[in-house]
Amino acid sequence: EAGVAQSPRYKIIEKRQSVAFWCNPISGHATLYWYQQILGQGPKLLIQFQNNGVVDDSQLPKDRFSAERLKGVDSTLKIQPAKLEDSAVYLCASSMTYRGSHYEQYFGPGTRLTVT
Amino acid sequence: KNEVEQSPQNLTAQEGEFITINCSYSVGISALHWLQQHPGGGIVSLFMLSSGKKKHGRLIATINIQEKHSSLHITASHPRDSAVYICAATSNYGGSQGNLIFGKGTKLSVKP
Repeated sequence: EAGVAQSPRYKIIEKRQSVAFWCNPISGHATLYWYQQILGQGPKLLIQFQNNGVVDDSQLPKDRFSAERLKGVDSTLKIQPAKLEDSAVYLCASSMTYRGSHYEQYFGPGTRLTVT
Repeated sequence: KNEVEQSPQNLTAQEGEFITINCSYSVGISALHWLQQHPGGGIVSLFMLSSGKKKHGRLIATINIQEKHSSLHITASHPRDSAVYICAATSNYGGSQGNLIFGKGTKLSVKP
């Protein structure tokens, strides 16, 4: 079974530039998550999709971050314009069910973003 | 206070030592996950458990629901076990139901 794919793996940009990350979840997984993990901390949920609908984006800084999952499969996360504090690893995860009693999220390799 | 707390934050061990990482949580959960993160950033799920104990190779995970506590044990540790180990709880309450609540991770270094 293929895992969650993410690209790029690494990205270095200057502040005020734009950047986009791509995620391809495991086939058949309806739920997709984007997390931000700042060095030394646990991941923080940015946005959660169920198919192509947003179910939780309460911690997404909407003035600069946007995400979409148009066909309910692949997803992109965009930052425009980037700030120094956006330097982090951006993780994508997918799971089969939402709000199930026992479900497992499968994580991608992450994209390490450095904003200079 | 974080809803999921891990200890220790950093752990250095000699190859072959028995290692224990602890996790306590203060919220209602439906499952507890142990995750492994290598320096490249990607996360691998090691265990998902809701009761008792699970074993996979040299790794053992236990959970005590009454005490809201879980442990991850590594027997005969090896330098390739060096990674960050993250405890995460699947919330079972309110609007956060189904979401993962993460601990800050334990950075393990195993010296040869």
